[in-house]
Amino acid sequence: DVKVTQSSRYLVKRTGEKVFLECVQDMDHENMFWYRQDPGLGLRLIYFSYDVKMKEKGDIPEGYSVSREKKERFSLILESASTNQTSMYLCASSLGDRGFQGYTFGSGTRLTVV
Amino acid sequence: SQQGEEDPQALSIQEGENATMNCSYKTSINNLQWYRQNSGRGLVHLILIRSNEREKHSGRLRVTLDTSKKSSSLLITASRAADTASYFCATFTGTASKLTFGTGTRLQVTL
Repeated sequence: DVKVTQSSRYLVKRTGEKVFLECVQDMDHENMFWYRQDPGLGLRLIYFSYDVKMKEKGDIPEGYSVSREKKERFSLILESASTNQTSMYLCASSLGDRGFQGYTFGSGTRLTVV
Repeated sequence: SQQGEEDPQALSIQEGENATMNCSYKTSINNLQWYRQNSGRGLVHLILIRSNEREKHSGRLRVTLDTSKKSSSLLITASRAADTASYFCATFTGTASKLTFGTGTRLQVTL
């Protein structure tokens, strides 16, 4: 079964901390994505990657960076966490020509910044 | 920016009834996808319909697409309590090379 694993279900971090959210997929998918989900705003794309060491900005990249050193792993980094980054973070992956296939999502990481 | 907008925002029905959710979008698309999210969990891909298709079925799900009206609908027949979830439409435009999600419809199915 296709699987996307996010390292933590819940995280609590302090303002100013550097935060790493990890995502691993076991399906040999080329494409990986990070979204954040907030009530009333739906899912918003932060960053995505179509290949190893490749990244592209999504709609709301400010305050975030990403790393994809290996095909199966896509990390989201909050350089200096702020309270407005409290949110549900969702990682997804897909095979082939980007949006032509459905995405497989992880279970999400609910991050609280205090 | 949101490409898709679902309607209604919330829907409450009884088990056995049909549930219909609508999605409107703004620009031309390559395909439209529907996803389901159980409370506090990740999204699960339900069905994909391409821009040259008008209707698609998968089990109790029926999706229609009207590109002239830039709209889609998801019909769940004979709803079950286990169908309680949020449902999202997502559009793929090709040029943008990424899925853009709507804000979702919360479906509550009661016994």
